[in-house]
Amino acid sequence: AQSVTQLGSHVSVSEGALVLLRCNYSSSVPPYLFWYVQYPNQGLQLLLKYTSAATLVKGINGFEAEFKKSETSFHLTKPSAHMSDAAEYFCAVSDRGNTPLVFGKGTRLSVIA
Amino acid sequence: KAGVTQTPRYLIKTRGQQVTLSCSPISGHRSVSWYQQTPGQGLQFLFEYFSETQRNKGNFPGRFSGRQFSNSRSEMNVSTLELGDSALYLCASSPNLAINEQYFGPGTRLTVT
Repeated sequence: AQSVTQLGSHVSVSEGALVLLRCNYSSSVPPYLFWYVQYPNQGLQLLLKYTSAATLVKGINGFEAEFKKSETSFHLTKPSAHMSDAAEYFCAVSDRGNTPLVFGKGTRLSVIA
Repeated sequence: KAGVTQTPRYLIKTRGQQVTLSCSPISGHRSVSWYQQTPGQGLQFLFEYFSETQRNKGNFPGRFSGRQFSNSRSEMNVSTLELGDSALYLCASSPNLAINEQYFGPGTRLTVT
């Protein structure tokens, strides 16, 4: 069965600093991997997705993630944090895109001015 | 194109009552999935419908049920509400069975007292 582990329930960075949110997955078949962002009182917005093509995936708002099969990781990065990036971020996995999403517990990102 | 809409946005019910939540997918989308989000359990898959047929069901008791209509709109019902059912219920739609094109609605916040 698939599973997702997000290291760090809360990450705090200074405005302009690098953002790194960690995600490790477990899947017995080639995974599809996703990062979603959730702002307060809102639903989930897709940031980016890996669907077995390029291992470095670029998403919206300057975020990107790299699929590393050997490390079973799909960490999310952004070179320079902005105040508007403060939100909850969720990593999710699906077996080949054919099974329902399994989400990690989420990481709350705070950006300090 | 209008996004996924969910009604109502907020709901307060008493233990033992039942509740029905509604989801209207993006026009042209035929697949609808439901997720429950709680602080303790995070995001958990409830069920998925495609062309009025339930394709997948998560690990929830039989009190949770759903259906999809011919226009792809979906409803979920929870009977005999318990305090633990208090959650944000999210609906997601996709044009087909592909998980990599799922779009989420803003959710319905259910509070059970």
